[in-house]
Amino acid sequence: DTAVSQTPKYLVTQMGNDKSIKCEQNLGHDTMYWYKQDSKKFLKIMFSYNNKELIINETVPNRFSPKSPDKAHLNLHINSLELGDSAVYFCASSQTRVVGTGELFFGEGSRLTVL
Amino acid sequence: AQKVTQAQTEISVVEKEDVTLDCVYETRDTTYYLFWYKQPPSGELVFLIRRNSFDEQNEISGRYSWNFQKSTSSFNFTITASQVVDSAVYFCALNAGGTSYGKLTFGQGTILTVHP
Repeated sequence: DTAVSQTPKYLVTQMGNDKSIKCEQNLGHDTMYWYKQDSKKFLKIMFSYNNKELIINETVPNRFSPKSPDKAHLNLHINSLELGDSAVYFCASSQTRVVGTGELFFGEGSRLTVL
Repeated sequence: AQKVTQAQTEISVVEKEDVTLDCVYETRDTTYYLFWYKQPPSGELVFLIRRNSFDEQNEISGRYSWNFQKSTSSFNFTITASQVVDSAVYFCALNAGGTSYGKLTFGQGTILTVHP
């Protein structure tokens, strides 16, 4: 059973389209995250939710809108896709909001390619 | 502000060689946590180790060992007798401050290639 699962794993789309990536964790964790890994492999946090409440929003364009229907799910919707949005998006979860006391579990990543 | 620097962009070794991946961090917080993650060619991020700022004991896990030195703000990772399966991108990361809420600051990553 996959602890943190993301769908789709690959997504190819045209500029200007809207797309969503879904994430689910079955670990019973309270906190979930979205990280972006660019073409140079650099990883940077985008958002964090704790019990469905947004707690981190890292200067991400408002074309990106996370949604957490419950604490086991955190979806990422992207409007008006741009070429620069091409990246691998990782979902992650941790037991509490203070990740240092535990481990951050990552999903397998969703590779988004914008043409 | 937190910062993690992995000065080695790429390292290439031959199997059975020992290799050390450097990590230097910056933070003003006295309580912080350091991590290493491995990203193999398949793309997933694999947790290797977590260390808190109050525990400077070095750690060994099989062929892997970690050297944490607060005096030099370094948390280096050594692979002994490297194997081809160790080929991956390795990330050092920092979580600092009690209210950072999982905000891991990653280094740029070190690409390790182990040749047979």
